[in-house]
Amino acid sequence: QAVLTQPSSLSASPGASASLTCTLRSGINVGTYRIYWYQQKPGSPPQYLLTYKSDSDKKQGSGVPSRFSGSKDASANAGILLISGLQSEDEADYYCMIWLSSASSYVFGTGTKVTVL
Amino acid sequence: QVQLVESGGGLVKPGGSLRLSCAASGFTFSDYYMSWIRQAPGKGLEWVSYISSSGTTIYYADSVKGRFTISRDNAKNSLYLQMNSLRAEDTAIYYCARNYFDYWGQGTLVTVSS
Repeated sequence: QAVLTQPSSLSASPGASASLTCTLRSGINVGTYRIYWYQQKPGSPPQYLLTYKSDSDKKQGSGVPSRFSGSKDASANAGILLISGLQSEDEADYYCMIWLSSASSYVFGTGTKVTVL
Repeated sequence: QVQLVESGGGLVKPGGSLRLSCAASGFTFSDYYMSWIRQAPGKGLEWVSYISSSGTTIYYADSVKGRFTISRDNAKNSLYLQMNSLRAEDTAIYYCARNYFDYWGQGTLVTVSS
């Protein structure tokens, strides 16, 4: 089982909201971790979007629109990236990431491909 | 502005070696920890290695431990990745990234094939 699991794809209409989940493996408590989110468009390197641990511990990447926001669902043991007011330019792959201190390693999620129909 | 420029990629035979470099500019390089991350063709992101700002703390992914060596030269604002005993599964674009990956380079392609 992967450490961080993301749905492989998600489709939504322009102007809609999209909620991307990043589920942590059982035994790894989402409440403990800062979750980092990245966007990658075809042929380009990933770009940092934001970090979310709690409402009092969060950071927006430089120049990243406020319609990208982070949250957590403790009951699902998941981090969430919410994209509000979807635009065609938001079509991309999205990855979550954590620093897994127990393994002294960074771990990326499996990635979600977002399509704006 | 922050800039990271990787170089050194190319085609190498299985078992061969390659040394990647990452030239940093636009920030105080010696203040930041750095990492290498790779992406195999059509696949997701895989963290490879981390080095602290001073170079005293280093971590590797299990997939490269014992084969790859990360290093840095703060006087030259440069990060390196020495890759030995290369395998076909090491074929990927290799990116250098700052800190918690707030900035990335454009990447350099490493192809391991006979």
